[in-house]
Order: sequence, then structure tokens, then C-alpha cells
Amino acid sequence: QVQLVESGGGLVKPGGSLRLSCAASGLNFTDYYMSWIRQAPGKGLEWVSYISSSSATKSYADSVKGRFTISRDNAENSLFLQMDSLRAEDTAVYYCVRVFGYCSKISCYFVEFAPDYWGQGTLVTVSS
Amino acid sequence: SYELTQPPSVSVSPGQTARITCSGDKLGDKYAWWYQQKPGQSPVQVIYKDTKRPSGIPERFSGSNSGNTATLTISGTQPMDEADYYCQAWDSSTAWGLFGGGTKLTVL
Repeated sequence: QVQLVESGGGLVKPGGSLRLSCAASGLNFTDYYMSWIRQAPGKGLEWVSYISSSSATKSYADSVKGRFTISRDNAENSLFLQMDSLRAEDTAVYYCVRVFGYCSKISCYFVEFAPDYWGQGTLVTVSS
Repeated sequence: SYELTQPPSVSVSPGQTARITCSGDKLGDKYAWWYQQKPGQSPVQVIYKDTKRPSGIPERFSGSNSGNTATLTISGTQPMDEADYYCQAWDSSTAWGLFGGGTKLTVL
């Protein structure tokens, strides 16, 4: 079965950096877009970033653009999130998520993506 | 920017039908997905592409999506269904995913 295991979370001071990793198994990793989705304590879910199977496409939430960098190593079935210039509002559980694409209702020219498999999450706390 | 709106909470008695709505401009033109999240756990997909149930999800979970509203329906709600539920859609104009704010389902 699909397993996504995150690591690298922890306590960091404002302005600091962390690198999250996700080890994937039970899937053809190179076939799928992957994403990081976060959840602040007591709050809802928020897309942070996603990356295409070949790494050609990367996208970020406005709130993290210029500070976070997503990457993947298909040879190692691994996904990463480099987080720099961290802020208190980045405090959250970060989930590694497999994303599946479907033809839209209008046309297969447009693809709609949604998470299907989620890791257990890793907690990032930004505090002095 | 595109937004999805859910009621913060819904209450239902055991055995009754729970309906959780998700509203967005012309949401029916997009697909809606639904996720269940129990305390301390990761979200689990319960409905995909408006109406389809992943394997292992009980038949009491169903979905619909038309006009501006997608609805998750839980028939014969059980105490184990108490959880937070999130809708999700993809905005093709911005190539970005969105979640609703979540609905806390209480079974009492």
C-alpha cells in the first residue's frame, strides 16, 4: 500500500530554516505530482506547494513564495520542502501528499488535481 | 480569488442523515472532493469527483455537486463519523487547489 513518511520537523526560531523530507513507497513515484499541504493548530487545510512528476512545474502559495522551495528525487522516491525565513505563521503540521490528476468536466485540456494519499504529518513550530 | 464556504458545524442524531454543504461560484462546473479528519489523524478521502467513493469507504457516504453547491451526505450517521470534513476543488484559472474552511460534524 502507499506509504508517505515525513521527517525533518521541529522547533525553529523566526528567520530560521528547516528542510522537510518525505519518503514514498508502494507507488510508482515518478508517475505522480506531489504536494505539501499544511494545517496550523486548530485550523483548516492549506495547499503550500506542488511539483510535477518531472519537476518541470512547481507552484507555491502566495504566503510562502520566495521563501519555500519544493523539490523531488525520483531515483530515491523522495519529496522535499526547503523552508527559509520562517515566520510564526508557518507553524503547522506539514503533510506530504500524493496528488492525482483528472480531466476536468469541460475538457481534458484542463486537469484538476486533488490529494488522495496523505502522510502522517510532521510538526513545524516557529517560535523564539 | 476563488473561495469555498462550509458551515462551521453540523449536528446530527445517530442513525439520521447528515448533510454538509460546500459553496463556491459555479462549483458545479468543477469536481468536488471530500476529506474526513478525526482528531490527531491525517485526512482521508471519502468522496472524489463529486460522487465516487474510494475503496473501503462505507456506502453511507455519498456526494453531489450542482450549481454553486456540493453536498456530502452521510446516511444512517454513526458515532464513528464524528469528525471534521473538508471539501476541496481545483481552480483551473490559477492552477491551484482550494479547501473549504471545514465543518465539524457532531453526532449526539
